[in-house]
Amino acid sequence: DAKTTQPPSMDCAEGRAANLPCNHSTISGNEYVYWYRQIHSQGPQYIIHGLKNNETNEMASLIITEDRKSSTLILPHATLRDTAVYYCIAFKGNFNKFYFGSGTKLNVKP
Amino acid sequence: GAVVSQHPSWVICKSGTSVKIECRSLDFQATTMFWYRQFPKQSLMLMATSNEGSKATYEQGVEKDKFLINHASLTLSTLTVTSAHPEDSSFYICSADTGGFDTEAFFGQGTRLTVV
Repeated sequence: DAKTTQPPSMDCAEGRAANLPCNHSTISGNEYVYWYRQIHSQGPQYIIHGLKNNETNEMASLIITEDRKSSTLILPHATLRDTAVYYCIAFKGNFNKFYFGSGTKLNVKP
Repeated sequence: GAVVSQHPSWVICKSGTSVKIECRSLDFQATTMFWYRQFPKQSLMLMATSNEGSKATYEQGVEKDKFLINHASLTLSTLTVTSAHPEDSSFYICSADTGGFDTEAFFGQGTRLTVV
């Protein structure tokens, strides 16, 4: 699976949009970009995933560049409960292994 | 959505004893499950792949005799930490996906193991 690179930490003001970048320059054509988050001492929570089109759901939006070498997760109105470690993962499903990088610690501040 | 459940959520055991952690897929069949370990302030590290009806495959550096995995049914995988020592204290997490190329991996809530 492709390796992903994320900044170790980011701050965001409550109520503002949080934009979390991810680089995945070696992603292959059949790998999706997945985003998960982990709140302290819990299992990872699925947020969103996409292949090449931008995606939006009730939690977030995912913007994937045309060359698919990077993506941005957008939390439109961050709340204190969004403070967590966010992981960007390139994954091709079908029972393949799911590897985590180091993630981005998002600190949402009042 | 699909649910993966782990039991127990936390366990304390004495050094030298063995501990079993269960991972269940509650509403789907999982021919493959994965086990992770997470130390404080670190990311999740894949330990092994649990395959229903066959032997587990372990990541490099993970002791298969130390971490016994059994995947006896399509909804249950167990991880047994044998002869536990304080350095085995960690957060253990399992996951499963429903197969296919456009699917998400579902994670259990994790098990906090403390060896004293």
